[in-house]
Amino acid sequence: SQTIHQWPATLVQPVGSPLSLECTVEGTSNPNLYWYRQAAGRGLQLLFYSIGIDQISSEVPQNLSASRPQDRQFILSSKKLLLSDSGFYLCAWNPGTTGQETQYFGPGTRLLVL
Amino acid sequence: DQQVKQNSPSLSVQEGRISILNCDYTNSMFDYFLWYKKYPAEGPTFLISISSIKDKNEDGRFTVFLNKSAKHLSLHIVPSQPGDSAVYFCAASGWGSQGNLIFGKGTKLSVKP
Repeated sequence: SQTIHQWPATLVQPVGSPLSLECTVEGTSNPNLYWYRQAAGRGLQLLFYSIGIDQISSEVPQNLSASRPQDRQFILSSKKLLLSDSGFYLCAWNPGTTGQETQYFGPGTRLLVL
Repeated sequence: DQQVKQNSPSLSVQEGRISILNCDYTNSMFDYFLWYKKYPAEGPTFLISISSIKDKNEDGRFTVFLNKSAKHLSLHIVPSQPGDSAVYFCAASGWGSQGNLIFGKGTKLSVKP
């Protein structure tokens, strides 16, 4: 069966510090991978999606970036965090085949920027 | 412009009664719709889906209805249980979206004992 992991679970970082959040998927190959953010009182905002290694699309301009160094690994980064980067970050995957749009989410990372 | 709208930010229902969560969409290219349930500090979990070739899909206590002409879908939970208290997100995808989902902002359901 497939599982998705995210770490860390929670993170408190000062403004201006770097960020690296990691997501890995097990039990599948060549998945589509996604990063979302849920800010307080708001819905799920798609940040990045990837259909393959080094194939990443950005949905919103921001100071965040994403990388996919391996097939089942997706990393969300920032060189300098802003206060507005606080939120709940979710990684998701789907099988990457036509007609399989259901996405499965990881447990999330709660980020607080002070 | 919000393509998927959940106009009720919250809903309160008595245990044992029916909960009806609504969702509207604007993009006629959407052909697959999903509902997710989310507890605080956890990732959303997939609940139920429906494709545009159907108008109803049922799974236990959960039923999703799709009205394509009105661009409206709803999730019915019956009977509602206190453990159903969570935020429910509606999502949609369409041809050419590469599996991307467009989410509504969610409706917080509270089921009172």
